Amino acid sequence: DVKVTQSSRYLVKRTGEKVFLECVQDMDHENMFWYRQDPGLGLRLIYFSYDVKMKEKGDIPEGYSVSREKKERFSLILESASTNQTSMYLCASSPSRGDQPQHFGDGTRLSIL
Amino acid sequence: SQQGEEDPQALSIQEGENATMNCSYKTSINNLQWYRQNSGRGLVHLILIRSNEREKHSGRLRVTLDTSKKSSSLLITASRAADTASYFCATVYSGGYQKVTFGTGTKLQVIP
Repeated sequence: DVKVTQSSRYLVKRTGEKVFLECVQDMDHENMFWYRQDPGLGLRLIYFSYDVKMKEKGDIPEGYSVSREKKERFSLILESASTNQTSMYLCASSPSRGDQPQHFGDGTRLSIL
Repeated sequence: SQQGEEDPQALSIQEGENATMNCSYKTSINNLQWYRQNSGRGLVHLILIRSNEREKHSGRLRVTLDTSKKSSSLLITASRAADTASYFCATVYSGGYQKVTFGTGTKLQVIP
C-alpha cells in the first residue's frame, strides 16, 4: 500500500525558530509537494519538486524553503517562524505523469507561539 | 491563485439521501480530480476525469465534467454517515509537470 509519512502530527514552536517538517514517501514517485491548509482558503501550494535536487516555487513560497537530497524525502523549512505560519501542512507525492493522483500524508498541525 | 471553486461550501443531508457538490474552474484543464478529507487527516483521491470524458462512475460516486461550462459535479448516492467529510476538486493543467490547484472544498455532513 502506498504511504506518505510526515514526521510529526502536531508541533509547537516559538517565533523566530528554524522549523523543519519532514516527509517521506515509499512509492518511488518523482513529484513531491508541500501545501498549507487554512480554514476558508483550501490548500495552497508552497513548493514542489519534480526530481532530486530540483525545486519550484508554488503560490506562497515566501518565508519557506525546501530540500530534496533523496528521491523519497522532501523537507519544508521555515527559516524564521512567524505566528502567521501557524497552519496545517500537508505533504503529497505523485508519479511524473500528469494524469496520476497525488497521495497525501496525514498532515502536521504546526503552532507558532 | 485558486482555480476550483466548490459549491455549496457546506451541505447537511440525511443518511440515504444523495449529495451533489459542484466545482467551477476558470481555464483549460488536462484533468479534474476529486478528493476527500476526513477531519484532521490528509486528502484521499476519489476519482479522476480527463478533459475528453463527460462522465465517470466509481461505486456510489458519479462525476460529470462539462468543459464548455468549465464545471464538474460529484454525486454521492445513498449517502452514509461515514461519508461525512470535506470534498475538494482539483484541476490539473497540461504542461511539463503536474501542477494541481485545489478548491476551497465542500463540507458534507450526513446525519444518521
